[in-house]
Amino acid sequence: DAGITQSPRHKVTETGTPVTLRCHQTENHRYMYWYRQDPGHGLRLIHYSYGVKDTDKGEVSDGYSVSRSKTEDFLLTLESATSSQTSVYFCATWGDNTDTQYFGPGTRLTVL
Amino acid sequence: DQQVKQNSPSLSVQEGRISILNCDYTNSMFDYFLWYKKYPAEGPTFLISISSIKDKNEDGRFTVFLNKSAKHLSLHIVPSQPGDSAVYFCAAINQAGTALIFGKGTTLSVSS
Repeated sequence: DAGITQSPRHKVTETGTPVTLRCHQTENHRYMYWYRQDPGHGLRLIHYSYGVKDTDKGEVSDGYSVSRSKTEDFLLTLESATSSQTSVYFCATWGDNTDTQYFGPGTRLTVL
Repeated sequence: DQQVKQNSPSLSVQEGRISILNCDYTNSMFDYFLWYKKYPAEGPTFLISISSIKDKNEDGRFTVFLNKSAKHLSLHIVPSQPGDSAVYFCAAINQAGTALIFGKGTTLSVSS
């Protein structure tokens, strides 16, 4: 367990509104990730970060942006939420001295 | 195109019997593989991993086998227990070593 928390844990919002999800870690891991999980699709990588202010796109990055101003925090922003972004979002971290990713508890987002 | 494939969406097994979950990959450059387990409303948790320099790795009731020539790995759970009922994800570390590529998952149901 890498001490990963996600907030909020549940959110319901309306189409067109901005949404920001937060991931916080206490292990000082360098890499942080945002995934979404959808039925029939498994876990798909949205964006990841390999250091403060260093980010890169994943497989399904359209409609999402990220920011990492501190090692411990990684924010995922939906600038204008759409119903297709209804999903469960997981944050994960990966330390330099570990060979596994550790996942947070997830955020269930519903866009009406 | 999917680089990590779990072709069986679900598997049902009786308690005490063996569960075999399969995973195929397409990129012969992948050299490290992981299995994660996920319960509903929780984040995935690391289960077991294997490096391409090995063909087997064992941890208690869980054994992962790797067949590099066939680009195939399998997770064996012996004996299966009702508490093993979960979604199992196979993953490979990407060539850059910066992220995991996940399969779509297999839902295992173990009945008592």
